[in-house]
Amino acid sequence: QQQVKQSPQSLIVQKGGISIINCAYENTAFDYFPWYQQFPGKGPALLIAIRPDVSEKKEGRFTISFNKSAKQFSLHIMDSQPGDSATYFCAASGRGSTLGRLYFGRGTQLTVWP
Amino acid sequence: GAGVSQSPSNKVTEKGKDVELRCDPISGHTALYWYRQSLGQGLEFLIYFQGNSAPDKSGLPSDRFSAERTGGSVSTLTIQRTQQEDSAVYLCASSPDRYQPQHFGDGTRLSIL
Repeated sequence: QQQVKQSPQSLIVQKGGISIINCAYENTAFDYFPWYQQFPGKGPALLIAIRPDVSEKKEGRFTISFNKSAKQFSLHIMDSQPGDSATYFCAASGRGSTLGRLYFGRGTQLTVWP
Repeated sequence: GAGVSQSPSNKVTEKGKDVELRCDPISGHTALYWYRQSLGQGLEFLIYFQGNSAPDKSGLPSDRFSAERTGGSVSTLTIQRTQQEDSAVYLCASSPDRYQPQHFGDGTRLSIL
């Protein structure tokens, strides 16, 4: 079954707006939550990542919010720009036998209108 | 510096043929991963190599799929007797070790006719 559930599948935002993408997981062994950005014809590129010892991490216009008790995390893109139009994937990995292996959400196609 | 390099970038082959996909990881990265990206299944883990340890093959979908990593560097993913459902983008990633972020190549787009 899908280990990481991502929504929405697609998102349209006006330039300057806030884009919000949500993910949820069930496996409590997960302890690393990265977000990847992918442009057509390119591989996923690491955008930002968080571990569950903090509730929020910010890098420039990108912020991850993490709710350990709800087993949810989200990506916020502030002041969204047309150049942010891409597909975004959340992912998770954990300790034990699955250490290093990433479980991905299904992706969100973001379109930012100028 | 150089990122993860994959070749070929595109591969078209006939059903039933064998294919080999190559991955050159970032220099010094001991962990190497293969994933498959398809419309129906999203991004799926296939196999993982860490140094000289036995690889984690738990994601390989069938015994037609195999991979090796020679000298702890270059890796080859082999698909035997290809089927149309093997059509996908095959992505390779590497990281300094299994605890560090993974960096992806641009993939090989495989099309089975």
